[in-house]
Amino acid sequence: DGGITQSPKYLFRKEGQNVTLSCEQNLNHDAMYWYRQDPGQGLRLIYYSQIVNDFQKGDIAEGYSVSREKKESFPLTVTSAQKNPTAFYLCASSIQPGVHLQHFGDGTRLSIL
Amino acid sequence: ILNVEQSPQSLHVQEGDSTNFTCSFPSSNFYALHWYRWETAKSPEALFVMTLNGDEKKKGRISATLNTKEGYSYLYIKGSQPEDSATYLCAFILTGGGNKLTFGTGTQLKVEL
Repeated sequence: DGGITQSPKYLFRKEGQNVTLSCEQNLNHDAMYWYRQDPGQGLRLIYYSQIVNDFQKGDIAEGYSVSREKKESFPLTVTSAQKNPTAFYLCASSIQPGVHLQHFGDGTRLSIL
Repeated sequence: ILNVEQSPQSLHVQEGDSTNFTCSFPSSNFYALHWYRWETAKSPEALFVMTLNGDEKKKGRISATLNTKEGYSYLYIKGSQPEDSATYLCAFILTGGGNKLTFGTGTQLKVEL
């Protein structure tokens, strides 16, 4: 079945450590997105990519980095510069950005040890 | 960052009741509005995207309307069932906004037997 796969489901990070969250889609979608959810807040956009080898910062990009070397993959690295990384992270994709509805993965919950 | 407001924050209804909730967004430079449904322990599911003033969309017992001049959208659920229990999210895109979705915090619906 086509869909979006995020891994791992749970991730623990030590202080000062970088961690990478995986997002893979087999929907042949051009656009991919990373969101962060904190309690009581809406989904906030971290980074998005409209096409391979291109990505743009979202509203809360500081402390994060991404790459888009393949159409199906959009990994997110949470760097040690992100001072409050504990959150639920969702990856999404759409045929193209804008009016096309987004399809979401199951999410990764990141916690600090 | 421009915000989207959803109301009410939460709602409890009885099985068979019809219900509706509101999404308010900036009316200037409007491009598109998305609705998603997010059940606990699952990934968000796309419902509708609307772009034109007066748009109405329907999917089963769920329908939505759009008023871009005054900046609001209503989501209606007819004859609520327990399986409708979820958080309903809306998100808007502005023209010139780089195709970025801005999400509200959602309306949490609980349908009781």
